[in-house]
Amino acid sequence: QKEVEQNSGPLSVPEGAIASLNCTYSDRGSQSFFWYRQYSGKSPELIMFIYSNGDKEDGRFTAQLNKASQYVSLLIRDSQPSDSATYLCAGGYNQGGKLIFGQGTELSVKP
Amino acid sequence: DAGVTQSPTHLIKTRGQQVTLRCSPKSGHDTVSWYQQALGQGPQFIFQYYEEEERQRGNFPDRFSGHQFPNYSSELNVNALLLGDSALYLCASNQGTGANVLTFGAGSRLTVL
Repeated sequence: QKEVEQNSGPLSVPEGAIASLNCTYSDRGSQSFFWYRQYSGKSPELIMFIYSNGDKEDGRFTAQLNKASQYVSLLIRDSQPSDSATYLCAGGYNQGGKLIFGQGTELSVKP
Repeated sequence: DAGVTQSPTHLIKTRGQQVTLRCSPKSGHDTVSWYQQALGQGPQFIFQYYEEEERQRGNFPDRFSGHQFPNYSSELNVNALLLGDSALYLCASNQGTGANVLTFGAGSRLTVL
């Protein structure tokens, strides 16, 4: 079993819709969770991170964490074609630095 | 304010050769981590350097080694290259070993023939 697993893609949504990206993790030692966006041929860029159970909102993005279910999600409201990218979920530890990434979910937003 | 810079951006090697990749962290950051990203996969943690020492290491063989210099810059060395070492090598930096918020460089694309 992979430590961090993401729902297989590609995920296709129409422009203006809500995109839902999901991630589960197996190591309860993970303390923090990160969502990165990676455009083709580019490096990952941080969208947001979450440490506590519940929701965290930042503009059109909402991250949700449920430690009991070992589940993390990212919602993108009012999806735009520019959101088309691969989204990477990662778990981190208190000692810092080391992130365990999932395999990524490719999102395509159709105009 | 310069972000994380990596060099070279692309390189081609043959099996058995050795390669050195370089990274300068973001200004104000003192910790450098290296990741390997194979095509279609998420990045995999190789190791982390802080205060010129390797602090954490992922599941990579000893062919992968690194170094951090007093100015916080870092090198990744891979010996006896295999075809499977072909990947995007990402350097990430942050401040201190307790922080997880990483800034990634653009990466070095290594192709092994």
